[in-house]
Amino acid sequence: GENVEQHPSTLSVQEGDSAVIKCTYSDSASNYFPWYKQELGKGPQLIIDIRSNVGEKKDQRIAVTLNKTAKHFSLHITETQPEDSAVYFCAASPSLGGYNKLIFGAGTRLAVHP
Amino acid sequence: GAGVSQSPRYKVAKRGQDVALRCDPISGHVSLFWYQQALGQGPEFLTYFQNEAQLDKSGLPSDRFFAERPEGSVSTLKIQRTQQEDSAVYLCASSPREGLYEQYFGPGTRLTVT
Repeated sequence: GENVEQHPSTLSVQEGDSAVIKCTYSDSASNYFPWYKQELGKGPQLIIDIRSNVGEKKDQRIAVTLNKTAKHFSLHITETQPEDSAVYFCAASPSLGGYNKLIFGAGTRLAVHP
Repeated sequence: GAGVSQSPRYKVAKRGQDVALRCDPISGHVSLFWYQQALGQGPEFLTYFQNEAQLDKSGLPSDRFFAERPEGSVSTLKIQRTQQEDSAVYLCASSPREGLYEQYFGPGTRLTVT
């Protein structure tokens, strides 16, 4: 089955710097890759996603890139702000005949220092 | 609009007790997922419903875990004879239709088995 590895496990940056989180997946049939932000005591919040027919997607300060050949995808956050501090999860979804069962990475704890 | 809601938010059970966790998905959402999140880990898939049909229960850890969605809206995850290893946050997510669509998570129920 699908396996997703995520790194780094912790990331500390200064406000205004960029942050990059990387994930690799094992199942070449996976075709949907969302990123979630989880704050303490809350459920995961979808921040951006990318499908396998697209190489890059941007939404304001957040971008995601996908390299299907290498089976890895990355989250880029520019101009980080203290409110970006949270745990970020990547996920991959193998095509299972009509629904997307998400396989998550172990998470990256991002700390943005003022 | 209203998001996914879950109740109770916190549950403490003595080992051996049965518990029932409730999920109210976003109105009209066809797909409903349950995930289990251990402390410091990413969510892990438990089961999937399309309307009232449970199409995938491959992630349920044992036959002590049971989920239902009898009318295709509210879902209940039941754990019988709880064990300490069942302690985790149980997350529910819904999606507007089957296929590769965004999953929206609830806040989760934190279950502690003593």
